[in-house]
Amino acid sequence: DVKVTQSSRYLVKRTGEKVFLECVQDMDHENMFWYRQDPGLGLRLIYFSYDVKMKEKGDIPEGYSVSREKKERFSLILESASTNQTSMYLCASRSGDTQYFGPGTRLTVL
Amino acid sequence: EDQVTQSPEALRLQEGESSSLNCSYTVSGLRGLFWYRQDPGKGPEFLFTLYSAGEEKEKERLKATLTKKESFLHITAPKPEDSATYLCAVLNAGNMLTFGGGTRLMVKP
Repeated sequence: DVKVTQSSRYLVKRTGEKVFLECVQDMDHENMFWYRQDPGLGLRLIYFSYDVKMKEKGDIPEGYSVSREKKERFSLILESASTNQTSMYLCASRSGDTQYFGPGTRLTVL
Repeated sequence: EDQVTQSPEALRLQEGESSSLNCSYTVSGLRGLFWYRQDPGKGPEFLFTLYSAGEEKEKERLKATLTKKESFLHITAPKPEDSATYLCAVLNAGNMLTFGGGTRLMVKP
């Protein structure tokens, strides 16, 4: 069974704070992804990584950065959180053609 | 640009009332079409992958089919626990995944 875990289910932060969201997969997958999901906008790709220390911008990378120091861990960083980054954040890991998702982190920025 | 459109946006069924969800797509070189189930406040759960027109996959009360332009998720005799949002996504030749907006299914007992 593929297992993708995310560090927090719920997070509340203040505007301007630096926020770290962590994702871990235990299947030795090379490809990992970060999405955000908003009502009416669906899932949008923020960043992805094909391997350790590699990163690629997705459709909406502005205001975010990522870190992949180890194969199993992919971190999403909000350098200075803003209220428009309030969202559900989903991490995924890919096996073959299929992406498997973590449980999500509901982030609220006040 | 790849596009995925799901219909209807919401569907209310009585328990036992079979129906189908639609996923229409345009994609540059289809590598695969995926169906996910998502419960409120949780991450999408993988259901099926379809690779070529004519392919069908089944799991309990769900059956997914694929043509060159669309996919259907047929739900036979649904139960209240089938209530969820069902997401469709296509993977293109460049390995990029595009999601549809989802269909919110509500099954009343």
